[in-house]
Amino acid sequence: AQRVTQPEKLLSVFKGAPVELKCNYSYSGSPELFWYVQYSRQRLQLLLRHISRESIKGFTADLNKGETSFHLKKPFAQEEDSAMYYCALSGRAGNMLTFGGGTRLMVKP
Amino acid sequence: DADVTQTPRNRITKTGKRIMLECSQTKGHDRMYWYRQDPGLGLRLIYYSFDVKDINKGEISDGYSVSRQAQAKFSLSLESAIPNQTALYFCATSDDTGKSYNEQFFGPGTRLTVL
Repeated sequence: AQRVTQPEKLLSVFKGAPVELKCNYSYSGSPELFWYVQYSRQRLQLLLRHISRESIKGFTADLNKGETSFHLKKPFAQEEDSAMYYCALSGRAGNMLTFGGGTRLMVKP
Repeated sequence: DADVTQTPRNRITKTGKRIMLECSQTKGHDRMYWYRQDPGLGLRLIYYSFDVKDINKGEISDGYSVSRQAQAKFSLSLESAIPNQTALYFCATSDDTGKSYNEQFFGPGTRLTVL
C-alpha cells in the first residue's frame, strides 16, 4: 500500500523566514512525487513534481529515497505563499494519486 | 478557456436523499476522477474513469456511484446521503500520454452538507 504523511497540519512563519513543509511516504517501488497547492478561493493546482527537478515560485523539493521524504522548501517565505499544500504520490502507471493530509502554511507580515 | 466545471457549487440536503454532483470538462482529457476532501485527511479518491467504458473504484467508493456519460462528463451520485458524507468534493481530469505522472487538473469543488 502507498501512503503519504504530512506531519504538520499548520505551519506559521514570518515573512522572509525559511520554510520547510515535510512530506514522508511509504511505497515499495519507485514513486513519482508531487506538491499541489490550493490558494484561497482558487483551485488545487500542481506546484511542482520531483521528476522535473524544477524550482517554482522559489520552492524546491528533493526526493530522498533513503529517508522516503519529499520536503518542500523555500529560503524566504512571502505572504502570498500562504495556502494549503498537499504532497502526493503516484506509484504506478495510470496516474493514481495518493494525497497527504495537507499542511496549511501561514506567512505572517 | 479549457476548463473543469462542477455543479452545483454548494448543496445542502437531508439524510436519505439521492444527490448527483456533476463534472464537465473542455480539456479533451480521457481520464476523470472524483475525490472528497476532509480536514486533516487530504483528498481521497472515490472513483476514477480512464475512458467512457472504464469505471474503477477508488479508496472510498462505498455509498457512492458514478456515471461517465461522455468523454467530457463524469457524475457522482450519493444514493442515500448520510451526514458523514458531508465534505468538499472535487472532480479532476488528466491526459493520457502513457506517462505515470500526468498532471491532474481540478474543478472548483462542490461543498455538500448532509443534515
